Amino acid sequence: GAGVSQTPSNKVTEKGKYVELRCDPISGHTALYWYRQSLGQGPEFLIYFQGTGAADDSGLPNDRFFAVRPEGSVSTLKIQRTERGDSAVYLCASSQLADTDTQYFGPGTRLTVL
Amino acid sequence: LAKTTQPISMDSYEGQEVNITCSHNNIATNDYITWYQQFPSQGPRFIIQGYKTKVTNEVASLFIPADRKSSTLSLPRVSLSDTAVYYCLVGVRYQDAGNMLTFGGGTRLMVKP
Repeated sequence: GAGVSQTPSNKVTEKGKYVELRCDPISGHTALYWYRQSLGQGPEFLIYFQGTGAADDSGLPNDRFFAVRPEGSVSTLKIQRTERGDSAVYLCASSQLADTDTQYFGPGTRLTVL
Repeated sequence: LAKTTQPISMDSYEGQEVNITCSHNNIATNDYITWYQQFPSQGPRFIIQGYKTKVTNEVASLFIPADRKSSTLSLPRVSLSDTAVYYCLVGVRYQDAGNMLTFGGGTRLMVKP
């Protein structure tokens, strides 16, 4: 079946610009997570959605980062006034929280801020 | 969340069995041990999860001693396609408040021909 998809696969932007990264979770999965992975490091948690609401956004590094999931399915991660330090791979994962904690990850969006 | 320690890298050859050990000295009573695999340019993929003793699936085996302060992921007869980063995670299995995963640095396994 279809897995988690993320678009775009690559995004190059200039410092100070605004970017949006999209995640399409597995159909029916109620939980959705965003992680950020820097080169050579493991993924770091950013934010978790249960349905439409952000249940835990403790991993967002600052107020330039924001995420939404208005209909409880697709989610968008928004980054304002991008900085070079934001360059990383942004991973999305979803899970059927009621049954299992197994998270299924998408391929990620590689963000490069010049 | 319990901190994990695992080797930074390992080398192996095709056809060999590979064992990757993870230390988690302060694991809590209700914590499960989970392993993920990540190929380049892909997101992590769940491999196996266990609580104690031994768990086996079609991909790997997971050995957990009685004190649960460590665990060993065993990959039988590796092939070149098993070259990846392997992450050991420790945390609660079911968590109503969310289930964010805490990844360490992982072990980079290189399988050589």
